[in-house]
Amino acid sequence: DAMVIQNPRYQVTQFGKPVTLSCSQTLNHNVMYWYQQKSSQAPKLLFHYYDKDFNNEADTPDNFQSRRPNTSFCFLDIRSPGLGDAAMYLCATSRVAWKGGQIQPQHFGDGTRLSIL
Amino acid sequence: GEDVEQSLFLSVREGDSSVINCTYTDSSSTYLYWYKQEPGAGLQLLTYIFSNMDMKQDQRLTVLLNKKDKHLSLRIADTQTGDSAIYLCAEKTPGYSSASKIIFGSGTRLSIRP
Repeated sequence: DAMVIQNPRYQVTQFGKPVTLSCSQTLNHNVMYWYQQKSSQAPKLLFHYYDKDFNNEADTPDNFQSRRPNTSFCFLDIRSPGLGDAAMYLCATSRVAWKGGQIQPQHFGDGTRLSIL
Repeated sequence: GEDVEQSLFLSVREGDSSVINCTYTDSSSTYLYWYKQEPGAGLQLLTYIFSNMDMKQDQRLTVLLNKKDKHLSLRIADTQTGDSAIYLCAEKTPGYSSASKIIFGSGTRLSIRP
C-alpha cells in the first residue's frame, strides 16, 4: 500500500505559469520534505515542515513555496516556473518523536516529473 | 563541507556479488543509508546503519562501515536482474530536524549482464 503519494506523476506546465504539486501521506509522520532531483544528480532538499514549522533551505529560490494545511498533505508551489525548474520533485516523510529527538529514516513517494514548455 | 561521493556506474554478471562504494565527509554523521531508485520512481529505503556499527546484514544485503576512512559499502549477494537500479548513499548529519540534514550522493547505476 502506498504510504507517501504524489500527484500527478507527470506534470507539464508552460514557462511562467504557476504550478502546484501535491503530496499526501498515511504514515502520520510529523515531518514532510520536498526535494528537487535533476537527471543523474543527488536529490536536493528545498524545504521541510516539522509539524507546522516551515524550514527553508538557504539556497532555495524564492520561486518555490510550500503549504502544509494538515498532517497528511503538503504542497509545493512554483510561482513562475523557468526551464531550469524541470526536474523530478520528491516528497518524503519521517517521524521525530519529540523536538530534538532522532529523525527516523525518510519514506519517499514516487515523485512528480515536471516538464516546462 | 558535506559531501557524499559514489562512482557513477557498476556492471556485474547475474549471480555474482555487487559491491557499491561510497565515501562521505562528515565524521559526525549519525546514520548512513542506502536507497534504491528505479527509473522514473522515488527512493526506496533499502537499509541503514548506525554510526556506532561496523556491519549490518539483511538477507542478500550487507552494509560495511569504516568510520576511520569514512567509507560505506553495500554488497548485494547473488545479484539478479531485478536489482538493476540506481543506488544512492546518504548520510544524516547530527542534530535536530532544522539543523540536521540528509545528504545524498548522486547514485551508482547498477547494470546486470547475463
